[in-house]
Amino acid sequence: GAVVSQHPSRVICKSGTSVKIECRSLDFQATTMFWYRQFPKQSLMLMATSNEGSKATYEQGVEKDKFLINHASLTLSTLTVTSAHPEDSSFYICSASWASTNEQFFGPGTRLTVL
Amino acid sequence: AQSVTQPDIHITVSEGASLELRCNYSYGATPYLFWYVQSPGQGLQLLLKYFSGDTLVQGIKGFEAEFKRSQSSFNLRKPSVHWSDAAEYFCAVGYGGSQGNLIFGKGTKLSVKP
Repeated sequence: GAVVSQHPSRVICKSGTSVKIECRSLDFQATTMFWYRQFPKQSLMLMATSNEGSKATYEQGVEKDKFLINHASLTLSTLTVTSAHPEDSSFYICSASWASTNEQFFGPGTRLTVL
Repeated sequence: AQSVTQPDIHITVSEGASLELRCNYSYGATPYLFWYVQSPGQGLQLLLKYFSGDTLVQGIKGFEAEFKRSQSSFNLRKPSVHWSDAAEYFCAVGYGGSQGNLIFGKGTKLSVKP
């Protein structure tokens, strides 16, 4: 149980375009979803936390107008990278949890490359 | 503030040898502690977790970890390493209530030599 999927697993886009990444909880209702960014050979950096039906809470230094997060249902959250630039190239990982749990369940990640 | 320290950036062990990966945390309350493994280009897989109770916890793939409150440590161990264990290992501490907020260490890369 507690499976989280991400789509796409890999995406290449041109500079200036927008890219949407989906995160789905397949067998549970995720009241909270987290979005992380991971640079090569580095740890995960939390970008934002989203609760279903409300606005995401962004970590300090993360541009909320650039990284749009939507958590419209209990099984789906999306991260849209707007006007992507090469420096946005990274590995994006989502995770999900539900009320009363003390752990997160991670998706397999999305590799974004901006040319 | 909460923090997690993994002092070893890269460790190399021989296949069949024992392994210990270190993790120290800073947290004011009783922590929830996790170890994750990440293979190249992959997401995170949970190896084991500690919430309460027995301080020695068993995980998947033959891993175990021991919570030592006096040392603020949660070291990961495996008695005999296999080549397939080569990966990046992350220690994490949970905080902030029931929604599972996590802080990650910087990770330890494990290489296994034949």
